[in-house]
Amino acid sequence: AQSVTQLDSQVPVFEEAPVELRCNYSSSVSVYLFWYVQYPNQGLQLLLKYLSGSTLVESINGFEAEFNKSQTSFHLRKPSVHISDTAEYFCAVSESAGNTGKLIFGQGTTLQVKP
Amino acid sequence: NAGVTQTPKFRVLKTGQSMTLLCAQDMNHEYMYWYRQDPGMGLRLIHYSVGEGTTAKGEVPDGYNVSRLKKQNFLLGLESAAPSQTSVYFCASSYSRAPSTDTQYFGPGTRLTVL
Repeated sequence: AQSVTQLDSQVPVFEEAPVELRCNYSSSVSVYLFWYVQYPNQGLQLLLKYLSGSTLVESINGFEAEFNKSQTSFHLRKPSVHISDTAEYFCAVSESAGNTGKLIFGQGTTLQVKP
Repeated sequence: NAGVTQTPKFRVLKTGQSMTLLCAQDMNHEYMYWYRQDPGMGLRLIHYSVGEGTTAKGEVPDGYNVSRLKKQNFLLGLESAAPSQTSVYFCASSYSRAPSTDTQYFGPGTRLTVL
């Protein structure tokens, strides 16, 4: 069975500071990895995903995540955060061999950006 | 395009009452999903559908039923609501060319309280 652990439930940070949101997964099969973001009172939207190739993936708004197979991690980073990045961030995995698209989500990390 | 819409946005039920949540998508997506979001637990899959007329159980299906009579609609039913079903419910859809890698598009959510 697959599982996803987000090690921090809340991450407070000041504006323009760097941030890292940690994600570890457990799976006996190959997986694809996703980060979704949920802004206040909205549904989730995809931030970025790792499918194959380069282990470093980037989003259009400056976030990046690195797939580390040996450490089974997919941590999300941003070198300088903005107030508008305040949101809840979810790491998720899907089984690469499956045909259902089922996602297993982590518990979520609330990023609080302070002025 | 409206994307994924959910009806209603809020609902308060008494224990034992029944209700149906409606999810609609206008993107011609094959796959649809129902999740529930609870504090500290992330999102958990309730039921999903890989096409019109099909449904399957997810991680936490007990107490819920679903139907997919039309491709664009996915209904979630609670026959006899319980306080443990107090949650925020999200619907999502994906195109399904490669389900495990596809982006899921989420609705805005339905906040349900069962007294």
